[in-house]
Amino acid sequence: GAGVSQSPSNKVTEKGKDVELRCDPISGHTALYWYRQRLGQGLEFLIYFQGNSAPDKSGLPSDRFSAERTGESVSTLTIQRTQQEDSAVYLCASSLIPGDYYEQYFGPGTRLTVT
Amino acid sequence: DAKTTQPPSMDCAEGRAANLPCNHSTISGNEYVYWYRQIHSQGPQYIIHGLKNNETNEMASLIITEDRKSSTLILPHATLRDTAVYYCIVLTNAGNNRKLIWGLGTSLAVNP
Repeated sequence: GAGVSQSPSNKVTEKGKDVELRCDPISGHTALYWYRQRLGQGLEFLIYFQGNSAPDKSGLPSDRFSAERTGESVSTLTIQRTQQEDSAVYLCASSLIPGDYYEQYFGPGTRLTVT
Repeated sequence: DAKTTQPPSMDCAEGRAANLPCNHSTISGNEYVYWYRQIHSQGPQYIIHGLKNNETNEMASLIITEDRKSSTLILPHATLRDTAVYYCIVLTNAGNNRKLIWGLGTSLAVNP
């Protein structure tokens, strides 16, 4: 079956512009995660969705970042007034959450470059 | 903050076992240890996880010490395709919040 997909794969934008990043999780996966990975760094948790609600937004770095999920499926991460420090690979993952443990399946990421 | 400590890099000869250590001395009783790997320019890939017993699957084995303060991921016969960054992660479960706290991982280079 299809895995997690993300679009666009690459995005170059000018400082100050808004961007939208899209994630299509694996069908039936109720949990969805967004991470940010700067060059040479580990993953930085941003936000987590259980269904369409986000019980944990603690990782969003500023109020310029927002995310939504609809139909317990597609999610969009929006960054307003982009800054150069926002340049990173943005990874989306989904999981089924069976019981108390789970596996996260990751998409290929969106590489965002803010010039 | 990351709750795990891993060496930044390791080398392994092709065909030999790769043993990747991880320290998680502050792990609590209901927290799992997860291992993922990330091949260059790809998203991370789940490898294995465990609570207190040793685990084995088709990819690797996970050895967890009795006090659960450290673990070792074993790739029994490393291949060039196993060259990747390996992340050891502790599952944080607070109420309905579930997230993995990622450190910098170990960059494993498998050499021919």
